[in-house]
Amino acid sequence: AQKVTQAQTEISVVEKEDVTLDCVYETRDTTYYLFWYKQPPSGELVFLIRRNSFDEQNEISGRYSWNFQKSTSSFNFTITASQVVDSAVYFCALTFYNQGGKLIFGQGTELSVKP
Amino acid sequence: DGGITQSPKYLFRKEGQNVTLSCEQNLNHDAMYWYRQDPGQGLRLIYYSQIVNDFQKGDIAEGYSVSREKKESFPLTVTSAQKNPTAFYLCASFGSSYNEQFFGPGTRLTVL
Repeated sequence: AQKVTQAQTEISVVEKEDVTLDCVYETRDTTYYLFWYKQPPSGELVFLIRRNSFDEQNEISGRYSWNFQKSTSSFNFTITASQVVDSAVYFCALTFYNQGGKLIFGQGTELSVKP
Repeated sequence: DGGITQSPKYLFRKEGQNVTLSCEQNLNHDAMYWYRQDPGQGLRLIYYSQIVNDFQKGDIAEGYSVSREKKESFPLTVTSAQKNPTAFYLCASFGSSYNEQFFGPGTRLTVL
């Protein structure tokens, strides 16, 4: 089975708190790509990061960081010092080599950052 | 600026009517996709096309149809056979290098 699970449906934090969004995936393929997207209230999906299965290096981009662990099939996303503008729905997604680029999405995590 | 445009932003349909959602891209991408999003849920693939004049069904193609006559355009028709069409529809395109999919702003369809 090929599946993405985001177990946290909703998370609420106070501004400046750190928050981690979990993503667990299932696949037997050895070549795959993982993504995180942000969906603000306007609805358009905003690309955050892409990671291929051969690159387990963690990545940091400003207040955002990602922890990719193949041993646990997880690709978690951490926001440091959250801000109100981070409030959105965040999706983790998976695609495979030679599968036409079709994305398999998790259910999404709605993050609410309160002032 | 390159990107994806979708129209209309909001669409209202009476039961029994077919409606067509527009998706246009000027990114010169070969592959295009239609996803459906229901409240509180992730996106599900309806149809996709990797090349002009060719397309494949996704996970929830029943009640929908598409065409791909031009590289830039991938319209989606929601037919009367789709029993529960009220949803948010997102179009996306994909370059050849497995980089990110670019998404349009979406069309919110409501059946009256």
